[in-house]
Amino acid sequence: AQKITQTQPGMFVQEKEAVTLDCTYDTSDPSYGLFWYKQPSSGEMIFLIYQGSYDQQNATEGRYSLNFQKARKSANLVISASQLGDSAMYFCAMRGGTSYGKLTFGQGTILTVHP
Amino acid sequence: DTEVTQTPKHLVMGMTNKKSLKCEQHMGHRAMYWYKQKAKKPPELMFVYSYEKLSINESVPSRFSPECPNSSLLNLHLHALQPEDSALYLCASSRRWGGLETQYFGPGTRLLVL
Repeated sequence: AQKITQTQPGMFVQEKEAVTLDCTYDTSDPSYGLFWYKQPSSGEMIFLIYQGSYDQQNATEGRYSLNFQKARKSANLVISASQLGDSAMYFCAMRGGTSYGKLTFGQGTILTVHP
Repeated sequence: DTEVTQTPKHLVMGMTNKKSLKCEQHMGHRAMYWYKQKAKKPPELMFVYSYEKLSINESVPSRFSPECPNSSLLNLHLHALQPEDSALYLCASSRRWGGLETQYFGPGTRLLVL
């Protein structure tokens, strides 16, 4: 079984500051992928970043980076230089090598960026 | 291009109506998914199609009927829905089912059942 835990229901950050959204996971799969999605109030689920369990380096995509600590089973999302448009719900998700296509989501974190 | 399109954006239907949701992707993906999402909750998987064949049905009530006419299209036929079926319905696709493929989502259809 796989489990994703996001312990921060809501986070607030000032514009232009960095923010870290927490995600811990549990799985028995030796091979797995970790994903972060952003969901604005419009509803679309936007893929942000991916980290494979065997990747040696932390993934980065523009202002997004994934702080992957395998021993601690954590995959935190770091957003640098926050913008007002970053205000949204953020979901951490994982997919195991044996999960047959199933994506396991966390409960999400609502991020609010203040001007 | 990682675009998945969904129509309509919004849908209001009565409990006796029949309607359909449509999803389309032109990325050559061979796996397509339907999810249901309630407000402030994560998406819940409903169906998975792989190579146009239904691979997973997460015990979804028969009033939801999926269809995959070809590798680019995915429909969800709705009949005799209940008010509790009101939700955001998201379609997604990935290169293939299984493995660690990224799923790309469409903008969703907001459904209201009266």
